[in-house]
Amino acid sequence: NAGVMQNPRHLVRRRGQEARLRCSPMKGHSHVYWYRQLPEEGLKFMVYLQKENIIDESGMPKERFSAEFPKEGPSILRIQQVVRGDSAAYFCASSPDNYNYGYTFGSGTRLTVV
Amino acid sequence: KQEVTQIPAALSVPEGENLVLNCSFTDSAIYNLQWFRQDPGKGLTSLLLIQSSQREQTSGRLNASLDKSSGRSTLYIAASQPGDSATYLCAGRGGADGLTFGKGTHLIIQP
Repeated sequence: NAGVMQNPRHLVRRRGQEARLRCSPMKGHSHVYWYRQLPEEGLKFMVYLQKENIIDESGMPKERFSAEFPKEGPSILRIQQVVRGDSAAYFCASSPDNYNYGYTFGSGTRLTVV
Repeated sequence: KQEVTQIPAALSVPEGENLVLNCSFTDSAIYNLQWFRQDPGKGLTSLLLIQSSQREQTSGRLNASLDKSSGRSTLYIAASQPGDSATYLCAGRGGADGLTFGKGTHLIIQP
């Protein structure tokens, strides 16, 4: 069991470019969550997805950010037209269900916007 | 909306001491509470998961307690070692909100 896999580990983008962050949940986990960690701040919830469905996106900025979890393949967090304020660590977690199990986190993608 | 607070924000103790990290949450309607460890520049490692029906969980030198009525959880680390140095995060799991994190306790164990 390879755990939650995130790639790339580090991503550098120039202002205005697009960033695509990928997350493959643990085998058997159908729930995926994305969190953002800004320097010196706590982890903030962004979005909760199940296969082909967005369940809760209340933590996602209204513009430029989108997420998907297709029937086949990893979950994708997309940030369009990145700005310096998007520089952060983005973590993905997965769980077997929503209530009875803990979350397993990936190692994160560290996005730097230059 | 759930809020999670961790005290202290930072702690530095000599090796070998027993220590307690505190976590409080505002909404007692949680399904479970999870303690994580985060090393600098790394991801989160789950340490202990306490279901809402449980009072405590133990793993090796770690013991976590949960008191829903008072909105508190503690993480007890026995016989601390330099390798325990890290940031410790607690997170309460509600319904639609998922996991809500505290800002963490940055722990340094002095050799």
